[in-house]
Order: sequence, then structure tokens, then C-alpha cells
Amino acid sequence: GNSVTQMEGPVTLSEEAFLTINCTYTATGYPSLFWYVQYPGEGLQLLLKATKADDKGSNKGFEATYRKETTSFHLEKGSVQVSDSAVYFCALSGSSGNTPLVFGKGTRLSVIA
Amino acid sequence: DTGVSQNPRHKITKRGQNVTFRCDPISEHNRLYWYRQTLGQGPEFLTYFQNEAQLEKSRLLSDRFSAERPKGSFSTLEIQRTEQGDSAMYLCASSFEGVGTEAFFGQGTRLTVV
Repeated sequence: GNSVTQMEGPVTLSEEAFLTINCTYTATGYPSLFWYVQYPGEGLQLLLKATKADDKGSNKGFEATYRKETTSFHLEKGSVQVSDSAVYFCALSGSSGNTPLVFGKGTRLSVIA
Repeated sequence: DTGVSQNPRHKITKRGQNVTFRCDPISEHNRLYWYRQTLGQGPEFLTYFQNEAQLEKSRLLSDRFSAERPKGSFSTLEIQRTEQGDSAMYLCASSFEGVGTEAFFGQGTRLTVV
């Protein structure tokens, strides 16, 4: 079945540091890939997505590129801020559009000033 | 539209009692999902509906769990004879159908079974 493996946390970075959170997946065909974020006290919200190979999703300075050859969708940001402190979840949905999202375990990011 | 709404936000119940949660999705969305999330884990799929039809249930979903979506609008998730292991955050999400569509999540109902 479909599955997502993401980097274990927690990750602690200083403000303006470079961020990478690794995510790899197992799925048949061409799934759609997502990064969701959960800020303290808030619900899950979509950060970015990519629906086909080599697509790059981007939002709020975050980027992730859909790499079919390495089955990866790593999240990156060049310069993190304290306000980026949150839990980040990598997720996928199947290529048919009829399968629900499958999530990774999440990576907690703390950014210190 | 105010987004996906879940009620109650918190529920404390005694072991063995039944509980029911409600989810009001974004009105235009025809798909509605239920997930469960425990501390330090990602959301775990429970079941989903397209309009009023329940299309898929997780094999992990105990017979004590049942969900409905009458008339394809709001949904309820009932847990019968609750156990301590049912303590978790229960999340509802809604979306349009289709490849790569975004799911919008509610803030969840936190269940504590004592």
C-alpha cells in the first residue's frame, strides 16, 4: 500500500538557518504529494503540493520538488523564522484521485532567535 | 464560509460510554474524511464519504466505530463502549473529488477516556 516516511524530529534551528526535512514515499503510479503544517493550537493546513513528476510546489518561502526517480519530496527553506516553528507532515494521495491522504509521522521544527 | 467545523472541541468520557462527534464540512465539498491522530504521530485514516456514500473504511477501524453522513452534508462519528486506547484527536477534513485536490481540516475533537 501507499506509505510516507519522513525525517524524525525534533529539529531545532537558529533563525535564518537553512531547513531541509526529508520525505520519501512508496506508491504505485504517480501519486500527488503534499506538505501540511500544523502551527501550535491550530488545525492542519496545506503548505504546498505537487501533482506530477518534476513539479515544484512553493509557498511562504518553502519549496519541495517531486522526484520520481528517488521517490522523494523533500521540504526546504533558505532562511527560517521563529514563526515557522510548527509540525510539518508529508502526505500523498493515490494517482486515481480516489484514495485518501496518507501521512508521515510529522517533524517538529523549533526555530530559536 | 468558515471552513470545516468540528464539535465538540473536547470530550472527556468514562470508559464504556458512547460518544458522538460532529463535523460540518465546507459546503461545496462532496468528500468528507475522518482521521485519528495520537501524540507524536501523523493523522491515521479512518473512513471517508463521497456525498452520502461511505466509500472506504480503514481495516484498523474497530466495529465499535461507526460514521454517517446523511444527505451528504454534515457527518457524525460514533464510538461505542469507549476504551482508554480510543483517547486521541479526531480530525475531520473535506475536499472536492479529483486528483491532487487539497483537503481542508477542522481543528479536531480531542477525546479523553478515563
